[in-house]
Amino acid sequence: AQSVSQHNHHVILSEAASLELGCNYSYGGTVNLFWYVQYPGQHLQLLLKYFSGDPLVKGIKGFEAEFIKSKFSFNLRKPSVQWSDTAEYFCAVNGGSGNTGKLIFGQGTTLQVKP
Amino acid sequence: ETGVTQTPRHLVMGMTNKKSLKCEQHLGHNAMYWYKQSAKKPLELMFVYNFKEQTENNSVPSRFSPECPNSSHLFLHLHTLQPEDSALYLCASSTRTGGNTEAFFGQGTRLTVV
Repeated sequence: AQSVSQHNHHVILSEAASLELGCNYSYGGTVNLFWYVQYPGQHLQLLLKYFSGDPLVKGIKGFEAEFIKSKFSFNLRKPSVQWSDTAEYFCAVNGGSGNTGKLIFGQGTTLQVKP
Repeated sequence: ETGVTQTPRHLVMGMTNKKSLKCEQHLGHNAMYWYKQSAKKPLELMFVYNFKEQTENNSVPSRFSPECPNSSHLFLHLHTLQPEDSALYLCASSTRTGGNTEAFFGQGTRLTVV
């Protein structure tokens, strides 16, 4: 069955610390990969996406993610977090260019950044 | 502002009530989706519409009835719900299904069934 696993459910960091959130997926075939963020009281918004090409993708607000096909992973990174990065982060996948539009989501990781 | 607007933002309904959730997108997209976000569970797809046609029903109970009158509007009609249906219901849209596209989400309707 298709699935997405996020290893960290709750992460607490101090400002300026580096961040890496793990995401692994189980999906047969080509994939599109996404990280979404949900700030408190706001809607889900896209941080970054991978469709094809360079496996290192850069998104908004200094975030980046690396697609490692051999490991079925798409980990999210940021070198130095800020208090405003406190939010819930979701990894998601769908089935490449022929997909049905259905996104499979991970359980989410709550990031708390202490000032 | 996301371009996808959901109303109401909050809804409390009894198990015998009938209510509807509304979603409207102003992005010119042709695909629309309903997702359910329950506590401590991943977001789960419920329905997909592409050019007004339902293309996916993720084994959703019939007490949830979607309607897509045009590519800009999507409804979720609710009747005889159960308390376990309490959740955040999210609407999303994308340019279409079947391509390298991203989904844009509304703010959701927080539904409580009493």
